[in-house]
Amino acid sequence: KAGVTQTPRYLIKTRGQQVTLSCSPISGHRSVSWYQQTPGQGLQFLFEYFSETQRNKGNFPGRFSGRQFSNSRSEMNVSTLELGDSALYLCASSSGQRGEKLLFGSGTQLSVL
Amino acid sequence: AQTVTQSQPEMSVQEAETVTLSCTYDTSESDYYLFWYKQPPSRQMILVIRQEAYKQQNATENRFSVNFQKAAKSFSLKISDSQLGDAAMYFCAYNDRGGSEKLVFGKGTKLTVNP
Repeated sequence: KAGVTQTPRYLIKTRGQQVTLSCSPISGHRSVSWYQQTPGQGLQFLFEYFSETQRNKGNFPGRFSGRQFSNSRSEMNVSTLELGDSALYLCASSSGQRGEKLLFGSGTQLSVL
Repeated sequence: AQTVTQSQPEMSVQEAETVTLSCTYDTSESDYYLFWYKQPPSRQMILVIRQEAYKQQNATENRFSVNFQKAAKSFSLKISDSQLGDAAMYFCAYNDRGGSEKLVFGKGTKLTVNP
């Protein structure tokens, strides 16, 4: 079974640009969650999608958005990038049953210059 | 809001020895899940062990075991017979029964294994 796939692995953008990150969950998994990881703030929950519906959202500005497609693949978008958006963005998938283990991808390292 | 605290930013252990990583959490819920995740230099988060709060028995997975003290809101991870491959960042995480899979993570503990 293929793992959670995130693309791209690395991304360099400049302030003011926008970026789209992609996550393909494990086959059969209907839930996808996104996390931002920075040295200062640690791991912070961005949002969670289940069957194309946003089920929960973290405390991030509206510049951060996401969506999930019918095949469970998910994308997150960050508009008007700021230097502070530089981070490792991790995606995780699961079956959607509460308490089920989340399986993480290797992340997308975003650098904003 | 729930919080998770890992008070040891760094720990080191000799190969084949035992090490315990600490984690405390704060919640008003009575039913929840606790996890330990490992993040090696490859950056991928790997689940080490999971504990359900309503189960009294401490979870174990091979060389990894937890000491879950619900009243004290403590959830420590013990790694026995440490191996070089155990070197990584370890994160404690909390999930409640609110219908979401949102995890609240601690800041992490960097574990070094010395040969």
